Amino acid sequence: AQTVTQSQPEMSVQEAETVTLSCTYDTSESDYYLFWYKQPPSRQMILVIRQEAYKQQNATENRFSVNFQKAAKSFSLKISDSQLGDAAMYFCAYRSATGTASKLTFGTGTRLQVTL
Amino acid sequence: GAVVSQHPSRVICKSGTSVKIECRSLDFQATTMFWYRQFPKKSLMLMATSNEGSKATYEQGVEKDKFLINHASLTLSTLTVTSAHPEDSSFYICSARVTSGIYNEQFFGPGTRLTVL
Repeated sequence: AQTVTQSQPEMSVQEAETVTLSCTYDTSESDYYLFWYKQPPSRQMILVIRQEAYKQQNATENRFSVNFQKAAKSFSLKISDSQLGDAAMYFCAYRSATGTASKLTFGTGTRLQVTL
Repeated sequence: GAVVSQHPSRVICKSGTSVKIECRSLDFQATTMFWYRQFPKKSLMLMATSNEGSKATYEQGVEKDKFLINHASLTLSTLTVTSAHPEDSSFYICSARVTSGIYNEQFFGPGTRLTVL
């Protein structure tokens, strides 16, 4: 079974600074997707960014980018120019690319605080 | 992006009663829907996966007779918590997966907070 590990329960960053959230995973599969989801205080899960395992190029979405190291099974999220609205729980997630009903496996989450 | 709605957003019930939570995909068809449970400051725990027109697949440790899931159409799935007890109090989140596209994107509802007195 796949596992996703987020070793940082809490992180803090100053507004306008950059922060990196860590995620490692364990799988024997070669084809899969990785995701970062944001859960603000409203509890609505929001997709931040996704990465296909077969792509070597790291995904980028505006201020959000990932460092995907397939051999190391590492998938970190970098938030640049942090904003107060970035404060939330961030979950790393894994999903097999096999089958349309494949499940998301979530990490335990990292709570990000953004300070002035 | 695609929208998933949940109703109700909050519900308070007495112990022993049943509660039904609805999950709808508003602007897309979803052959697969997922139900999660989330405890305070914890991650999402998958309870079951439901496919339209067939029985739900429950995760290990989830009582299927207690958490009844019905996926009657491509846009509606319901979770019924039967004979609710205080330990069932939690935040329940549904998610629907689009059937088209290469990513089979999964969208989440806003959640339902259940409090059992």
